[in-house]
Amino acid sequence: GQNIDQPTEMTATEGAIVQINCTYQTSGFNGLFWYQQHAGEAPTFLSYNVLDGLEEKGRFSSFLSRSKGYSYLLLKELQMKDSASYLCAVMDSNYQLIWGAGTKLIIKP
Amino acid sequence: DAEITQSPRHKITETGRQVTLACHQTWNHNNMFWYRQDLGHGLRLIHYSYGVHDTNKGEVSDGYSVSRSNTEDLPLTLESAASSQTSVYFCASSESTTGGYEQYFGPGTRLTVT
Repeated sequence: GQNIDQPTEMTATEGAIVQINCTYQTSGFNGLFWYQQHAGEAPTFLSYNVLDGLEEKGRFSSFLSRSKGYSYLLLKELQMKDSASYLCAVMDSNYQLIWGAGTKLIIKP
Repeated sequence: DAEITQSPRHKITETGRQVTLACHQTWNHNNMFWYRQDLGHGLRLIHYSYGVHDTNKGEVSDGYSVSRSNTEDLPLTLESAASSQTSVYFCASSESTTGGYEQYFGPGTRLTVT
């Protein structure tokens, strides 16, 4: 079966750095997406990785290792507004997105 | 600005009733998707469409149907609502399914079946 695993909840301090991990087992791979979802709102796109390595976009970076079936989202200089759920999704061989259950990130002052 | 809207935002209905959730996008995207989101689960695909008159079943399609008569709209119908269909429903659209094109999501419809 297809499976995306990510931690259910993480806590971090304002101004710090946090890494949210995602491991996957899917039938085929056509890229990995990270989305942010604030409580009661729609998911919004953060990043896309299809090749191994690190993609940096401002305070957010995303890393991919296809051989290990592993990705992480790195958030730097955490702000209170970063409190949200972070969703990992893999596009499989049929170009369908398989979603993880999300990681709820709690930022403390 | 282009957008994707859903209506109603909240709906309470009774078991056995037919319910239709609307989704309208002005991105002019060919691809549209319906998901449900439940605690402890990732977003699960219900139905999707790659263009006018095209519809396909997703992972959890039982009890749901869609139709695509134009580019902008993909209404989702629950034929006979069941309590197990209480959920938050998201509609999404994308320019392409390849090349890393993101999906844009509507604000969601919270459906309660009593």
